[in-house]
Amino acid sequence: LAKTTQPISMDSYEGQEVNITCSHNNIATNDYITWYQQFPSQGPRFIIQGYKTKVTNEVASLFIPADRKSSTLSLPRVSLSDTAVYYCLLLYNFNKFYFGSGTKLNVKP
Amino acid sequence: EPEVTQTPSHQVTQMGQEVILRCVPISNHLYFYWYRQILGQKVEFLVSFYNNEISEKSEIFDDQFSVERPDGSNFTLKIRSTKLEDSAMYFCASRAGEQFFGPGTRLTVL
Repeated sequence: LAKTTQPISMDSYEGQEVNITCSHNNIATNDYITWYQQFPSQGPRFIIQGYKTKVTNEVASLFIPADRKSSTLSLPRVSLSDTAVYYCLLLYNFNKFYFGSGTKLNVKP
Repeated sequence: EPEVTQTPSHQVTQMGQEVILRCVPISNHLYFYWYRQILGQKVEFLVSFYNNEISEKSEIFDDQFSVERPDGSNFTLKIRSTKLEDSAMYFCASRAGEQFFGPGTRLTVL
């Protein structure tokens, strides 16, 4: 199974754009890339999902280069409430979801 | 907005006891999942369930674990003989497209 690698932590300030990159060198042809957000003592929450190129929704953008060996989650103008752990996942057959260690984002005032 | 619910929110049990964790997935979802998260660690996949049978399971999901959909709404995880290392948050999830997670059950094994 393809593994994902993310930075352990990142710091940012309110109002800045934050980009979190995930490496997945051994991604399989059928894998989709999904990002989740988790606050302490809560279940993960879906942010965005993509297969290639760029996907954008109301909260984030996801950039995936042509080789799909990495992906970047972009959060525009973060606020204090965006302080959380962000996980990059590869969807294996859509029935087996493996979370990596996640990136702890700390947004400062 | 529809949501996944889980009961109880916190379960304390003695080592060796059986526990059943309950989940009510979102009503029109067909795929169901259990995950666990040991304090301070990452979320770990346990099992996926579709069409009344297990689709995938991880190496964590051994013979001590079982899942069931006893009726049209509930989805349960049973741990037959709990161990200290089973202490964790257990999350249920369901999906039609994207996965929705429940708030979790904190299991404490003494």
